[in-house]
Amino acid sequence: EAQVTQNPRYLITVTGKKLTVTCSQNMNHEYMSWYRQDPGLGLRQIYYSMNVEVTDKGDVPEGYKVSRKEKRNFPLILESPSPNQTSLYFCASSFLLAEGGNEQFFGPGTRLTVL
Amino acid sequence: GIQVEQSPPDLILQEGANSTLRCNFSDSVNNLQWFHQNPWGQLINLFYIPSGTKQNGRLSATTVATERYSLLYISSSQTTDSGVYFCAVERGGADGLTFGKGTHLIIQP
Repeated sequence: EAQVTQNPRYLITVTGKKLTVTCSQNMNHEYMSWYRQDPGLGLRQIYYSMNVEVTDKGDVPEGYKVSRKEKRNFPLILESPSPNQTSLYFCASSFLLAEGGNEQFFGPGTRLTVL
Repeated sequence: GIQVEQSPPDLILQEGANSTLRCNFSDSVNNLQWFHQNPWGQLINLFYIPSGTKQNGRLSATTVATERYSLLYISSSQTTDSGVYFCAVERGGADGLTFGKGTHLIIQP
């Protein structure tokens, strides 16, 4: 089954304790990205990657890191989480054609609480 | 950046009713998608519809790209249709999706 998976689905942690949220897709997509969803602010893009070893900042990258060592995986790293990073996180992927406009597929979400 | 406006923000209907949700966007786009966010927070792809009309069961969508709007139709609503419906657009390349604020739909039995 074609899908985007995220782990963990739920996480409660404390300020300053490094964590990684994994994202994996099995559709051979070049493009992957991370979004966060917050009440009143909607969904906003954190980082994206156009292919292996190619990553770039989205609209709200502060406090996050990413890596793209393999095509299928795009982990989100919080080196020193803070309470304002409490949010619902989504990973997404799509093909990347030159003309753009490719359908994006979303993972099930990771609900993160930072105390 | 591109602006996406959805209306209405909230909608309460009885089971069996029909509804139309609207999405206006401020610039030309190469991608427009409709999503349903269920009560568990999952984003379900409904339609990929940068232009034209599509139907899937009781749901259909139309995008008029030249006039910069899209409509999502839900017919014969069921309680399981409840949730938030998002419209999201992308101008092209690796811009990423810009989401509207959503329409919160409640279907009462």
